[in-house]
Amino acid sequence: ETGVTQTPRHLVMGMTNKKSLKCEQHLGHNAMYWYKQSAKKPLELMFVYSLEERVENNSVPSRFSPECPNSSHLFLHLHTLQPEDSALYLCASSLAGGAYEQYFGPGTRLTVT
Amino acid sequence: ILNVEQSPQSLHVQEGDSTNFTCSFPSSNFYALHWYRWETAKSPEALFVMTLNGDEKKKGRISATLNTKEGYSYLYIKGSQPEDSATYLCAFYSNFNKFYFGSGTKLNVKP
Repeated sequence: ETGVTQTPRHLVMGMTNKKSLKCEQHLGHNAMYWYKQSAKKPLELMFVYSLEERVENNSVPSRFSPECPNSSHLFLHLHTLQPEDSALYLCASSLAGGAYEQYFGPGTRLTVT
Repeated sequence: ILNVEQSPQSLHVQEGDSTNFTCSFPSSNFYALHWYRWETAKSPEALFVMTLNGDEKKKGRISATLNTKEGYSYLYIKGSQPEDSATYLCAFYSNFNKFYFGSGTKLNVKP
């Protein structure tokens, strides 16, 4: 049990759908992250929230929209995705700052049809 | 885009063998270097975070070293066991608040 949960674990959606991924942590951390793992590519950082403020957005397309209502919850809102967006989406949390280890959730396997 | 390279891409060893792999990263704008272990069907799990040149960290049979001046870190596993089979990831954290992961080294330990 890592203390970071993600729902749903699997998601199949059409290109015109709108869906949301949810991440929750109960570790007392104040930074949360969204990563994308595509086949045969390195883990790619998408968004970082630190103290509930977005501090990093790695040129992610606007069809991905993050939301961090408090330090324990993180959402990734999805709309009009493309088939190439099919991937494993991982959430992680840590204490703020890069010198602290991250705790990862189990991921959401997303398939866009 | 910044390159973090890991070698080898994959490694097959026998139980009891000791092994090591490399993470290479830019020597400028360094803040921290992370190592994670990612077992199949599980979440990545933190092994070490190192921040100082010359750092050495150890956890059981696994240890890591850091050279920030030349931009590399080594991960060592002594007496590999089948349960060590996993993908080992390193991540470079720059002082511009950015994380960059390598592609990982996939280790398979045969009984």
